[in-house]
Amino acid sequence: DVQLVESGGGLVQPGGSLRLSCVVSKYTFSNYWMNWVRHTPGRGLEWLANIGQDGSETFYANSVRGRFTISRDNTRNSVFLHMTNLRVEDTAVYYCALGSAGYYYGMDDWGQGTTVIVSS
Amino acid sequence: DIQMTQSPSSLSASVGGRVSITCRASQPIGTYLSWYQVKPQKAPRLLIFAGSRLQSGVPARFSGSGSGTDFTLTIRNLQPEDFATYYCQQSYSTSWTFGQGTNVAI
Repeated sequence: DVQLVESGGGLVQPGGSLRLSCVVSKYTFSNYWMNWVRHTPGRGLEWLANIGQDGSETFYANSVRGRFTISRDNTRNSVFLHMTNLRVEDTAVYYCALGSAGYYYGMDDWGQGTTVIVSS
Repeated sequence: DIQMTQSPSSLSASVGGRVSITCRASQPIGTYLSWYQVKPQKAPRLLIFAGSRLQSGVPARFSGSGSGTDFTLTIRNLQPEDFATYYCQQSYSTSWTFGQGTNVAI
């Protein structure tokens, strides 16, 4: 099975920044699109961004475009989410996820999540 | 963005029963539709992709149908472990979106 491990979550003040990381093992990382998704009990699941295999294509949800940046390092089997100008409503559990069957066929492997709390 | 609207938002069911959850897209999305199960403190689990294809390892009591704008997730013979929240998600557009979720409770 693919293993995805996120890190970098924590407590940050409104307006602050945070960089999340996700390391993928046991797979040919550079073959797959990578996604970031967050979950809150109140708002449910929210897809945030994805990045193509070589990093040349990136797409974002409207809610985070301009504040969040997704990137990847295929030499380190890692994907990142740089979050700036954080708001209280960005408080959530953040997951990285991939779809092993291809771009259009759902995200079948997920990390365990990392918690981000935005609060003063 | 393509809006995904699920109904109902919540429902009550019994073990052994059957439930259906609908998901409507704000524009046609072909069959670029997936369904996920979410339980507290656990990562989401992919159940169905491409509208109706069962993910490996998912019990056959789960099924998906639909195309275009209207989709349905059906769970037959509900088991205790099926009580959870279910989300649809479209991957037709470059900005993916989830439905708001349907909580299936006892």
